[in-house]
Amino acid sequence: NAGVMQNPRHLVRRRGQEARLRCSPMKGHSHVYWYRQLPEEGLKFMVYLQKENIIDESGMPKERFSAEFPKEGPSILRIQQVVRGDSAAYFCASSLRTGEDTEAFFGQGTRLTVV
Amino acid sequence: TQLLEQSPQFLSIQEGENLTVYCNSSSVFSSLQWYRQEPGEGPVLLVTVVTGGEVKKLKRLTFQFGDARKDSSLHITAAQPGDTGLYLCATRSGNTPLVFGKGTRLSVIA
Repeated sequence: NAGVMQNPRHLVRRRGQEARLRCSPMKGHSHVYWYRQLPEEGLKFMVYLQKENIIDESGMPKERFSAEFPKEGPSILRIQQVVRGDSAAYFCASSLRTGEDTEAFFGQGTRLTVV
Repeated sequence: TQLLEQSPQFLSIQEGENLTVYCNSSSVFSSLQWYRQEPGEGPVLLVTVVTGGEVKKLKRLTFQFGDARKDSSLHITAAQPGDTGLYLCATRSGNTPLVFGKGTRLSVIA
């Protein structure tokens, strides 16, 4: 049973380009979470999706950022017109269910560098 | 949103030493999770504590949940270079997403 798969592992974009980050959750998991991590920082919640629905996007900037989790295929975090401040590691996590003692399984992350 | 304060922020110790890191909040936790993140990787769950006063052991790691469920500690005995990493505490309320502290970055020098 493969873990959470994220690709690409590293992504370099010039200012103004679009970045697409993909996340395939663990088999059977329908809950997906995206987090952003800056150097020397913890993980900041961005968005929570459950198959075709955005449940909570309170941590995601209103401009330029969007996320989806279609019925078929991976979850996508899309950043339009990237700026240098978007450079960070973006982690996806999935879980089988929700609840206070639920384990979230994380991918290896996508490291975005904006030049 | 519950804020989690972790201390110390950085810790550098020699192999074989013992250490304790802390996770505190002004609010009561319903449950608390500890994760370890190695360089270049995603976080991996170490333990979940739920009951006030609970103590859980994972080999050389001992996790304690405060009686009032406002704080937690992680104690590592005889640290090894393989323990190097970022230790994160996290909590959630009901079905909300996990909220993380900023972590303690541990470096164990051989």
